[in-house]
Amino acid sequence: NAGVMQNPRHLVRRRGQEARLRCSPMKGHSHVYWYRQLPEEGLKFMVYLQKENIIDESGMPKERFSAEFPKEGPSILRIQQVVRGDSAAYFCASSPLAGGPDTQYFGPGTRLTVL
Amino acid sequence: AQSVTQPDIHITVSEGASLELRCNYSYGATPYLFWYVQSPGQGLQLLLKYFSGDTLVQGIKGFEAEFKRSQSSFNLRKPSVHWSDAAEYFCAVGADSWGKFQFGAGTQVVVTP
Repeated sequence: NAGVMQNPRHLVRRRGQEARLRCSPMKGHSHVYWYRQLPEEGLKFMVYLQKENIIDESGMPKERFSAEFPKEGPSILRIQQVVRGDSAAYFCASSPLAGGPDTQYFGPGTRLTVL
Repeated sequence: AQSVTQPDIHITVSEGASLELRCNYSYGATPYLFWYVQSPGQGLQLLLKYFSGDTLVQGIKGFEAEFKRSQSSFNLRKPSVHWSDAAEYFCAVGADSWGKFQFGAGTQVVVTP
């Protein structure tokens, strides 16, 4: 039973380019969460998605960031026109249940470096 | 507003010694509490969790944690650390109805010979 998959593991972008981060949840999980970890800091919640729905995006920056979880395929976190401050580790987590906190299983993360 | 505090940013412990990592939370109802460990360059691995019931919970790798409602704490302990326990440890609260986690800032554990 494969765990949460994220790719790429490392991504380098120049300022102004777009970054696309992908997350495949564990089999049977239909809830996906994205977190960002800045250097020397803990994880900060960004967005919570179910299939084809954004449930809570209260942690997403207002501009340049978007997320989706289509009916088929992985969840995508998209960052347009990246800036150096976007350099961070981005973690995806999945859980099987709705309606309350449950154990979240984390992927290995994507480490984004903006030059 | 809910919050999670890990007072110790950095802890150094000798191999074989005991370890205790502190976690305090602020939340109006009974929270769902978790401890995760992150090795360098890796993702987060769940050590243990508390939802309800026995306030002393056992986890993997010989870790345990105790929920103390009166102190709003969920401290992590291990009786005898191994060099492989060197990592960063995060306490998390799952208190939102949608399951959004709030993480502490983490405690970096260094194990010396």
